[in-house]
Amino acid sequence: GAGVSQSPSNKVTEKGKDVELRCDPISGHTALYWYRQRLGQGLEFLIYFQGNSAPDKSGLPSDRFSAERTGESVSTLTIQRTQQEDSAVYLCASSNRYTQYFGPGTRLTVL
Amino acid sequence: KNEVEQSPQNLTAQEGEFITINCSYSVGISALHWLQQHPGGGIVSLFMLSSGKKKHGRLIATINIQEKHSSLHITASHPRDSAVYICAVEETSGSRLTFGEGTQLTVNP
Repeated sequence: GAGVSQSPSNKVTEKGKDVELRCDPISGHTALYWYRQRLGQGLEFLIYFQGNSAPDKSGLPSDRFSAERTGESVSTLTIQRTQQEDSAVYLCASSNRYTQYFGPGTRLTVL
Repeated sequence: KNEVEQSPQNLTAQEGEFITINCSYSVGISALHWLQQHPGGGIVSLFMLSSGKKKHGRLIATINIQEKHSSLHITASHPRDSAVYICAVEETSGSRLTFGEGTQLTVNP
């Protein structure tokens, strides 16, 4: 079956612009996670959705970052007024409670 | 906050060697994950452990809950095993992962 997909695969934007990243999880997976990986660094947790529960937003680095999820399907991560330090690969994962399946990521470059 | 430490940070081996990567964490967990990140960036989940030992092909993962320690072993290593191996823990079932810094493994032919 289809895995986790993300779009776009690459995004180049100018400092100060808003960007929206999309994640399509595996059908039936109730949990969805967003992570970030800056160049040469480890993975950082951003936000976690579980079913209809309130999301765990504890990893969001600033109020410029927000995410939404429609039911148990698509999620979008929005970064407003992008800064150069936002440049990273943004990874989405979905889970069947036992294993997290990662998408290919969106590489964001802020000029 | 859980601290996850991996060792070594970098590891170079010759093809055929037995490899061990270690992971320790500071706070009780519900599960530990081993992930593999390929040079192109894709991440694959190798194992999820809550106790004991799991084996898949040439890969073996063990966890000691009392000692808060896990190991990933690769037997008969091959150049295609070259990747970054990442240990991650979840403190409660299904929750966010806290990641180690990763171990860069290079297996030379």
